[in-house]
Order: sequence, then C-alpha cells, then structure tokens
Amino acid sequence: SQELEQSPQSLIVQEGKNLTINCTSSKTLYGLYWYKQKYGEGLIFLMMLQKGGEEKSHEKITAKLDEKKQQSSLHITASQPSHAGIYLCGAALNTGNQFYFGTGTSLTVIP
Amino acid sequence: DAMVIQNPRYQVTQFGKPVTLSCSQTLNHNVMYWYQQKSSQAPKLLFHYYDKDFNNEADTPDNFQSRRPNTSFCFLDIRSPGLGDAAMYLCATSKGLAGSYEQYFGPGTRLTVT
Repeated sequence: SQELEQSPQSLIVQEGKNLTINCTSSKTLYGLYWYKQKYGEGLIFLMMLQKGGEEKSHEKITAKLDEKKQQSSLHITASQPSHAGIYLCGAALNTGNQFYFGTGTSLTVIP
Repeated sequence: DAMVIQNPRYQVTQFGKPVTLSCSQTLNHNVMYWYQQKSSQAPKLLFHYYDKDFNNEADTPDNFQSRRPNTSFCFLDIRSPGLGDAAMYLCATSKGLAGSYEQYFGPGTRLTVT
C-alpha cells in the first residue's frame, strides 16, 4: 500500500496556466515536504510544512497543509517551462526517521 | 559548493559482483539516508544512520548493507546485485529527525547490472 498518494500522476499545461498538485495520506503527517526532481538527477527541496493550516509561498509556488495534517497541495501560478519536472511530496508518518515519498507528479509545461 | 556528494555518478556492475556506492557530506549533519529509486517510481528508503545508530527499513533486502565510518561518509554495499537492483541510488542528509528537518539530496548514482 502507498502511504502517500499524489494526484494527478501527470500534468501537461500551457505556459502561463495555473495548476495544482495534491498529496494525501490516511495518517497524520509529521512534517510534509515538497521536492522537485529533474530526470536522472537528485531532489531539490522546495518547501516544508509542519503545522495544520500552514501555507508557504516561494516565487510562484504556494504549498498548503490542511488543518488535519493529512493533505497538502502545491499550487503553481503562471507556469513556465522551468517549472517542468517531477514533483514529489514526502513526509514522516511518525516521530522517528521513517520517511515516505508520494507517487510523484510529472509536470510538462508547453511554451 | 557541493554539499552531498555521490560517487560514482554512474556504476555498471555484473550480476552477482559486489558493488559499493559512496556518499559524503560537508554539512556535518547527524542523519544520512540511502534511497532506491527505480524508473518512474518514487524514492524508497532503504536505511538510515542517526550518528552511529543504524536503522534498517523492515522490507530492505539483506543483500543491501551500509557503513558509516565517520560523520562525513556513508557507503551502500550491494553484496550480490541482481538485475532487479538496477536503479538510481540517492543519498540524503538531515540535521535531525525527518519530520522536523529537510533532507539534502545528492545527485544520485545510477546503477546498471549486466
């Protein structure tokens, strides 16, 4: 079973469009992280959310964690080709170091 | 400056021939992780070290071992690689517990088994 489910699995958008990626768990999340990965490369940290209801923004990317700390969304405003890649949510599901990644969302931005 | 370094970036090994992947960090972080990422899949945690304490995930095969001789270095040993072990292996570090601190990832080592 997958601890973290992401949707959609893949996304193709026109440059300039907004988009949202979701990450859902049936368990309480002790720290929710968003990473971006280009093909064949390591992961780049985007944002970390810890508190229920927390929202963070960096440039055109906004991430939110719901009050129950079981769902997070990543929203990109006015997408650009540089946003293309695989977006992964990751979380600790307990207070230890067990860490799980979501199933990933592949984003393509068409110029 | 590179903070988490993985060597080599590409490794080819023969079926059954032991192979060692290397990870080093300049961050002086307490925790080091090894993940396996197969094609089109999410990274899967194999094990981690918190300082010298080794923590193995329950479903990590015995074929995979790890060593952390000091704070800066961590090695992944695959004793008898099978074709199914071909994957990208990612090393990561964090200052503390995964729920409270971000993980910094290396560029990965892509392992091919022939």
